[in-house]
Amino acid sequence: DADVTQTPRNRITKTGKRIMLECSQTKGHDRMYWYRQDPGLGLRLIYYSFDVKDINKGEISDGYSVSRQAQAKFSLSLESAIPNQTALYFCATSDSRGGRPEAFFGQGTRLTVV
Amino acid sequence: AQSVAQPEDQVNVAEGNPLTVKCTYSVSGNPYLFWYVQYPNRGLQFLLKYITGDNLVKGSYGFEAEFNKSQTSFHLKKPSALVSDSALYFCAVRDHPIQGAQKLVFGQGTRLTINP
Repeated sequence: DADVTQTPRNRITKTGKRIMLECSQTKGHDRMYWYRQDPGLGLRLIYYSFDVKDINKGEISDGYSVSRQAQAKFSLSLESAIPNQTALYFCATSDSRGGRPEAFFGQGTRLTVV
Repeated sequence: AQSVAQPEDQVNVAEGNPLTVKCTYSVSGNPYLFWYVQYPNRGLQFLLKYITGDNLVKGSYGFEAEFNKSQTSFHLKKPSALVSDSALYFCAVRDHPIQGAQKLVFGQGTRLTINP
């Protein structure tokens, strides 16, 4: 089983619909992140959370919201989806302890807004 | 705020030749630096990191990277390229845990193509 699991893997939705992308992890990490990937733009940070009570906006948070339901779960919501939110979305985790600052990524969710 | 630049969108190398993928960064204080690789339809895989110590770090699949503080660079290298190295490569930087906000910021990616 994957350590960082994203659901769904693919989703097509209509403009104006609310959609939630979910991420769960079994790594025991305290930090979780949501990124979107667009061709030529790399990965851009949407939101990040350093623990259940600590949620921070990234560089492109407009139009998105998040919820850290537990240490292992971090969901991303698009309240009213628009076509320019079509992208590949990645969840990632990292551990603030133990001297291993690298992030670990899920397989991604390909979202298409029509 | 920290930032990362990968000046080449695409790098083409013949199999067996050495490869270099360039990365420069901007961060206040001492950086944590990372390289990740993305194969088609896959998530990002961690390759290597620099935290402190020796400027030359070695990672997975025979890759290495050299940290150069004066040039604020962290170029990815491999002595002999394989066709299977063809993928999208991302450089990332995180600022110091005490001094900064500790966000992980990525470059725009470099597509590496190894020609047989």
